[in-house]
Amino acid sequence: NAGVMQNPRHLVRRRGQEARLRCSPMKGHSHVYWYRQLPEEGLKFMVYLQKENIIDESGMPKERFSAEFPKEGPSILRIQQVVRGDSAAYFCASSPGQPTSGNTIYFGEGSWLTVV
Amino acid sequence: KNQVEQSPQSLIILEGKNCTLQCNYTVSPFSNLRWYKQDTGRGPVSLTIMTFSENTKSNGRYTATLDADTKQSSLHITASQLSDSASYICVVSAYNAGNMLTFGGGTRLMVKP
Repeated sequence: NAGVMQNPRHLVRRRGQEARLRCSPMKGHSHVYWYRQLPEEGLKFMVYLQKENIIDESGMPKERFSAEFPKEGPSILRIQQVVRGDSAAYFCASSPGQPTSGNTIYFGEGSWLTVV
Repeated sequence: KNQVEQSPQSLIILEGKNCTLQCNYTVSPFSNLRWYKQDTGRGPVSLTIMTFSENTKSNGRYTATLDADTKQSSLHITASQLSDSASYICVVSAYNAGNMLTFGGGTRLMVKP
């Protein structure tokens, strides 16, 4: 029973390029969350998705960032025209139901983006 | 505004000693409270989940307490080991639409031999 799988684990992009981060939730999980963590800081919420729906994107920057969780395949966090300030660890998490149901939320090992 | 405050920000203890980490929250309406352990360079790992009706829950050497009246939680680590060195994150869930999770800033624990 594989956990939350994120890839790539490490990604280097030049300023202006696009970064695409993938997250395969645990089997049977239909709720996906993305968080960003800057060095020496806590996790910051970005977006909460269910299959084919964005439930809450209040933590997403208004420009350049987008996320999807299609009916088939992994969830994708896309960052267009990356800047140095986008360098961070991006964590994906999944759960079988809403957090209010007391479901355990499992995290992936993160994708480390470095913008040079 | 929903907030989760953790203290101390960082803590150094000697191997074998006990310690207690604190979490205060203003999240409302409260659903549940979780403690996570995050090793450097890794994803957070769930330690405990407590609902409104639970005031204590253990996971090995980790014991979490919850006082829903004062909106406080603590995580007690017994007989610390070097592998306990990590950040400990308190996360509170609310019955609101949307994200429903509020993260604390974490306590960075270092256990020294």
